[in-house]
Amino acid sequence: IAGITQAPTSQILAAGRRMTLRCTQDMRHNAMYWYRQDLGLGLRLIHYSNTAGTTGKGEVPDGYSVSRANTDDFPLTLASAVPSQTSVYFCASSEQVSSGANVLTFGAGSRLTVL
Amino acid sequence: GQNIDQPTEMTATEGAIVQINCTYQTSGFNGLFWYQQHAGEAPTFLSYNVLDGLEEKGRFSSFLSRSKGYSYLLLKELQMKDSASYLCAPLDSNYQLIWGAGTKLIIKP
Repeated sequence: IAGITQAPTSQILAAGRRMTLRCTQDMRHNAMYWYRQDLGLGLRLIHYSNTAGTTGKGEVPDGYSVSRANTDDFPLTLASAVPSQTSVYFCASSEQVSSGANVLTFGAGSRLTVL
Repeated sequence: GQNIDQPTEMTATEGAIVQINCTYQTSGFNGLFWYQQHAGEAPTFLSYNVLDGLEEKGRFSSFLSRSKGYSYLLLKELQMKDSASYLCAPLDSNYQLIWGAGTKLIIKP
């Protein structure tokens, strides 16, 4: 089934630990995104990639890093987790970064708790 | 700055019609999306408007007025499964989506 796979689904992490959230898509979409969603707030963009080999910072990039070595994979790394990074993380992709083709397909989300 | 305003919560009755409003201010504009998000799930695409007017898709319709910075999502013949959050998201000049906090729609029998 075509779509986006995120792992892990849920994780409890000690503060200060390093964590990588994995995201893989099989739709050959050019653009990929990482969002975090917190109660009462809209989705906030962490990092994005318009095409393989390029990445950009979103609204809330501090404490996170990404890489886009190929079209399919877009991992998000927390170098040293802090409690404020407790959130639900969504990976998404779209065909192109342009108006009509910017329909996002989302992964199921990764719920991260930092203690 | 960029700002999205939509009601936090709305309640409607099964079988009725509900209109969810969204006003926005963005740096440039390249269209507006509506997404549906059921509790504990990922958002899914509902509609996209780039020109003024009404787009109809089955029980759901979406309206856009670019001059007023205004959009609404109209849901007809409400069903219990329509209980969800509805996210308004305009596309700015950099083709990035600006997300509202969403409107939680509660459907009562």
